[in-house]
Amino acid sequence: ELQLVESGGGLVQPGGSLRLSCAASGFTFSSSWMSWVRQAPGKGLEWVANIKQGGSETYYVDSVKGRFTISRDDAKNSVFLQMNSLRAEDTAVYYCATLGYGLDFGRWGQGILVTVSS
Amino acid sequence: QSALTQPRSVSGSPGQSVTISCTGTGSDVGAYTYVSWYQQYPGKAPKLIIYSVNKWPSGVPARFSGSKSGNTASLTISGLQAEDEADYYCCSYAGAYSLVFGGGTKLTVL
Repeated sequence: ELQLVESGGGLVQPGGSLRLSCAASGFTFSSSWMSWVRQAPGKGLEWVANIKQGGSETYYVDSVKGRFTISRDDAKNSVFLQMNSLRAEDTAVYYCATLGYGLDFGRWGQGILVTVSS
Repeated sequence: QSALTQPRSVSGSPGQSVTISCTGTGSDVGAYTYVSWYQQYPGKAPKLIIYSVNKWPSGVPARFSGSKSGNTASLTISGLQAEDEADYYCCSYAGAYSLVFGGGTKLTVL
């Protein structure tokens, strides 16, 4: 069964850093594009970042460019999101998801809450 | 990267059909056939229900259907059931491997 499990969330002060992890199983991870999508409390979904197979290409929403970095470790079937210079508006549940050939988010993790507050 | 426009809420009675619109621009919805739809229950992760405008992932009932005309995509739910009450989001490719979501629509089954 395909499974995505996020970890690493929590409370962080403005300007701080946090690293999210997503452990994948049940599919050929190394052949898959992966993404992060977030959802602020009571708000809609927002695409955050994509990473290609092998990690050679990465893409970001404008609001996180220069602050967030998506990466992957195919040996560990994991994708990561390094978040620096965090702001209150980054507070959200962060989901990792597979990105299909139809540029759709086919499978999702359960989500992990990141709270940026002093 | 402006959000796509969806109605904030729609409603319908069991057995009826409802349609949720998703309006973008010629740079996203109008430019590509990469429109997807997601169903989300409170406190749960979203679930893909339509991809590539009008294709169904395995296990999604044919009561859910998608279409697109110009800069507007639509999700139609036929034979409405109580379990369809949820939030629905559209998403479109916007070029350069970026994606943009709609603001979401709350479906109420009366």
